[in-house]
Amino acid sequence: QVKLVESGGGVVQPGRSLRLSCTVSGFIFTTSGMHWVRQAPASDNRLEWVALISYDGTHKYYVDSVKGRFTISRDNSKNTLYLQMNSLRPDDTGVYYCAKDGGRAQVLLGDFDYWGQGSLVTVSS
Amino acid sequence: DIQMTQSPSSLSASVGDRVTITCRASQTINKYLNWYQQKSGKAPKLLISAVSNLQSGVPSRFSGSGSGTDFTLTISSLQPEDFGNYYCQQSYTTPYTFGQGTKLEIK
Repeated sequence: QVKLVESGGGVVQPGRSLRLSCTVSGFIFTTSGMHWVRQAPASDNRLEWVALISYDGTHKYYVDSVKGRFTISRDNSKNTLYLQMNSLRPDDTGVYYCAKDGGRAQVLLGDFDYWGQGSLVTVSS
Repeated sequence: DIQMTQSPSSLSASVGDRVTITCRASQTINKYLNWYQQKSGKAPKLLISAVSNLQSGVPSRFSGSGSGTDFTLTISSLQPEDFGNYYCQQSYTTPYTFGQGTKLEIK
């Protein structure tokens, strides 16, 4: 079955860096677009799309609030998605989910049909 | 960015009730509208894509409608397992954006 497993979250001081990984199985990773979506702490619960990478890594898109600080990448030989987060700020705190794009065969649809369990990132001094 | 506004923010309904959640986009998004259900401590689950396409395994009591800027998620006969938070999301253009969520409680 489809499985996405995030890792790499934790507590980090403002200004520092963290790299999230998402290892997948159960679908053809090499033809699937992938996303990172985050969710603010429980009192807010807002979902925010963070970044998208095309199946081959040639196209990348980001929400404005992370442009220049976060980098999405993938290693198709390892079935793994990454999110490098630099210059972290307290408002980056939340649960980070990797999610598969609902498109097939290299087509991007922009919906998220499979999600990981989430990785908590806390930015605090 | 396209703003997505859901209403109501919360609602309480009884088993068997018909429940409707609405979602309005700040500009036209054609049929690029998706609905998710999230239960506490779990990842969101895609229920409906492209306004009305029910995902595999999702009960037929869930349905979606609308076009342009106004959309609706309907649960025809509420079941106890339908509690949770519901979110709409536009996939018309990046940055993809979500509604603020609707908390559905069972009376």
